[in-house]
Amino acid sequence: AQTVTQSQPEMSVQEAETVTLSCTYDTSESDYYLFWYKQPPSRQMILVIRQEAYKQQNATENRFSVNFQKAAKSFSLKISDSQLGDAAMYFCAYKETSGSRLTFGEGTQLTVNP
Amino acid sequence: DAGITQSPRHKVTETGTPVTLRCHQTENHRYMYWYRQDPGHGLRLIHYSYGVKDTDKGEVSDGYSVSRSKTEDFLLTLESATSSQTSVYFCAISEARSLPEAFFGQGTRLTVV
Repeated sequence: AQTVTQSQPEMSVQEAETVTLSCTYDTSESDYYLFWYKQPPSRQMILVIRQEAYKQQNATENRFSVNFQKAAKSFSLKISDSQLGDAAMYFCAYKETSGSRLTFGEGTQLTVNP
Repeated sequence: DAGITQSPRHKVTETGTPVTLRCHQTENHRYMYWYRQDPGHGLRLIHYSYGVKDTDKGEVSDGYSVSRSKTEDFLLTLESATSSQTSVYFCAISEARSLPEAFFGQGTRLTVV
């Protein structure tokens, strides 16, 4: 079974600085999707960014970018110019393209200090 | 926002009673999921569905059952609620390759006393 591991239960960053959240996963598949979700205190799950495994180019969405290392099975999220509104729980998730199961990591609680 | 509605949003129930949570979607997505969220565990998959009447177990399915008689509705039933099932429950939907990311409902906070 696929597993997703987030080794940093908590992280903090100063406003306007850059922070990187780590995620590793285990799979024998070659084609899959990876995601980062954000969960603010409202509890709503919000998609931050998506990466297709067959694409070598790292995905970017405004201040959010990923470092996808397929051979190392690593998928980190970089948040640039951190804002107070970025404070949230962040979840890494994995999904096979051939299947329907969506597997999440344990989450990283990000605090943004003013 | 994706059209996903969970009901109820909050529920307190007694140990041993049956409980049913409902997830309703208006997006006609094929896949539907039930997760539970607990501190330190992230989101854990309970059951999921890949079509009407097609369901499968997730990693924490014991004590839970599901049904999907229509594309738009996915029900999660706790046959006899226990205190260990106190949690926040999320429903999610997704499509296949064209739209692989999952969209989530607002969550249901269930307390079993």
